[in-house]
Amino acid sequence: EDKVVQSPLSLVVHEGDTVTLNCSYEVTNFRSLLWYKQEKKAPTFLFMLTSSGIEKKSGRLSSILDKKELFSILNITATQTGDSAIYLCAVLGSRGTSYGKLTFGQGTILTVHP
Amino acid sequence: NAGVTQTPKFRVLKTGQSMTLLCAQDMNHEYMYWYRQDPGMGLRLIHYSVGEGTTAKGEVPDGYNVSRLKKQNFLLGLESAAPSQTSVYFCASSYDRGQPQHFGDGTRLSIL
Repeated sequence: EDKVVQSPLSLVVHEGDTVTLNCSYEVTNFRSLLWYKQEKKAPTFLFMLTSSGIEKKSGRLSSILDKKELFSILNITATQTGDSAIYLCAVLGSRGTSYGKLTFGQGTILTVHP
Repeated sequence: NAGVTQTPKFRVLKTGQSMTLLCAQDMNHEYMYWYRQDPGMGLRLIHYSVGEGTTAKGEVPDGYNVSRLKKQNFLLGLESAAPSQTSVYFCASSYDRGQPQHFGDGTRLSIL
């Protein structure tokens, strides 16, 4: 059974701090790993990572994938209160019964205090 | 700029009642998905569709049925609601299986 585990489950920081969110996975047929941000409503797409060692970056957010050790990290530098959200990690299957399906982790709840 | 639209946004049902959740997307996406989100469990796939007229079971399909009569719409039905189906339901769509899925704002469903 495919499995995605995120850590920590929750995190409280102050504005300006840097945070690292972790995602490890065990899946049979891996195609890519995705990060989503969920505020009050819909999860919104952040990054899709397919290759090891290539950092994806968007403003203060960055992410990298290690396919050998089966994990990914999401970094947020100089956090702001608007970064408060649930961050979801998901793995996309590549073939067989996993083809095109996302398996999600439990999510990390990030709270940024002013 | 609608994207994925879910109706209704909230609903309270009594045990045994039936209802249908509607998902509509205006991006001409081939693939559509229904998830449920419960505290501490992330999102779990209920059913999905790889094109008009097709449906398939996901991870937690029991107690739900789906239909995709038109490409832009994906319906999720609860025939006889149970308290265990209290959850937030999300619909998503994607252009193809390898692309990121785009989510609707969710339907919060409570079953008493």
